[in-house]
Amino acid sequence: QKEVEQDPGPLSVPEGAIVSLNCTYSNSAFQYFMWYRQYSRKGPELLMYTYSSGNKEDGRFTAQVDKSSKYISLFIRDSQPSDSATYLCAMRGATGGGNKLTFGTGTQLKVEL
Amino acid sequence: GAGVSQSPSNKVTEKGKDVELRCDPISGHTALYWYRQSLGQGLEFLIYFQGNSAPDKSGLPSDRFSAERTGGSVSTLTIQRTQQEDSAVYLCASSPNRGDYGYTFGSGTRLTVV
Repeated sequence: QKEVEQDPGPLSVPEGAIVSLNCTYSNSAFQYFMWYRQYSRKGPELLMYTYSSGNKEDGRFTAQVDKSSKYISLFIRDSQPSDSATYLCAMRGATGGGNKLTFGTGTQLKVEL
Repeated sequence: GAGVSQSPSNKVTEKGKDVELRCDPISGHTALYWYRQSLGQGLEFLIYFQGNSAPDKSGLPSDRFSAERTGGSVSTLTIQRTQQEDSAVYLCASSPNRGDYGYTFGSGTRLTVV
């Protein structure tokens, strides 16, 4: 079983919809949680960065962490065709581990006009 | 430069040949990482550099893989005697030494072994 599980999709939604992307994990040592967006043939781009449990909002994006359930989410409001990409969750333990990240496999999202 | 630069962007090589992949991190970023991304497999950690030393090489899949970093800057990932299963996108990332920051990735080198 992988340390981080993520539904690969593809997920197809109409423009303007609210999108919910999720990851579950098994390692209780994870404390820092990230979401990356990856366009085709590009490197991943950091979207959101959160520490421990709680919510963080940035524009149309909200990241949510529930450490008790080992579950993290990314919500995208008013989705746009430009949001079509693969979304990767990533996480790590305390800084002493060298910032090595463990990634999910990514969820492919398509926002249609 | 402004971002992480990787070269070449694409590489096709014959099975059994050696290849070198280059990464030029963001200036001032002391931490550098190599990951491999295969179809449906997500990102797989290979090696982490802090300055010129590699405190974590645990992800290198075999002794055919090696990496070095010089001057606390450019890094080279070398794959000897390439095999078809080495075909993947090799991604390099860098981050500041301290603080709670995510990585900045390059666009990767797409390696195809034929």
